[in-house]
Amino acid sequence: DVKVTQSSRYLVKRTGEKVFLECVQDMDHENMFWYRQDPGLGLRLIYFSYDVKMKEKGDIPEGYSVSREKKERFSLILESASTNQTSMYLCASRDLSSSYEQYFGPGTRLTVT
Amino acid sequence: AQSVTQLDSQVPVFEEAPVELRCNYSSSVSVYLFWYVQYPNQGLQLLLKYLSGSTLVKGINGFEAEFNKSQTSFHLRKPSVHISDTAEYFCAVRSDTGRRALTFGSGTRLQVQP
Repeated sequence: DVKVTQSSRYLVKRTGEKVFLECVQDMDHENMFWYRQDPGLGLRLIYFSYDVKMKEKGDIPEGYSVSREKKERFSLILESASTNQTSMYLCASRDLSSSYEQYFGPGTRLTVT
Repeated sequence: AQSVTQLDSQVPVFEEAPVELRCNYSSSVSVYLFWYVQYPNQGLQLLLKYLSGSTLVKGINGFEAEFNKSQTSFHLRKPSVHISDTAEYFCAVRSDTGRRALTFGSGTRLQVQP
């Protein structure tokens, strides 16, 4: 089974802090994604990476950056956390040979106070 | 650009009753369609997908969906729901050109009551 893990299930940070959310997949997938989930808005794409060191902005990249130095790991960085970044963050990965199906991690619920 | 509309934010239903969760999409090109389920405090899990071929797609846990190109719809159905089906359901679309990520709808919360 494909496994996507995220470093924390719950995280509480203060406004202005730099925050790192880590995601690791164990299936050698080329593509990885970061989404943000908010009630009534569904999932919105923040960034995705189609290969090591390659990235593209999604729909809501402002206030976020990403890093992919190794194929299995994709990090989301909040340079200076703000209260409007309080949300559930979901990581996903996809194998190029699969039928576009994405495999999701359990999510990190981030609260910025 | 593609988009997905889930017409119902919440659907309450009694146990053993049938249910339909509606999903409409807009895209100018051929699409691939998905339904995901999210149980409380968990990530998303794939229920079923339509890529091509038969328009009636069967998934896990007794769910099925029908792709209707003329109506641009991909509604999810189950003939008899269980308490354990209580969850949030997301419809998603990907076109065969351009953007590689999925576009998700806003979700439908299915609440199965005894």
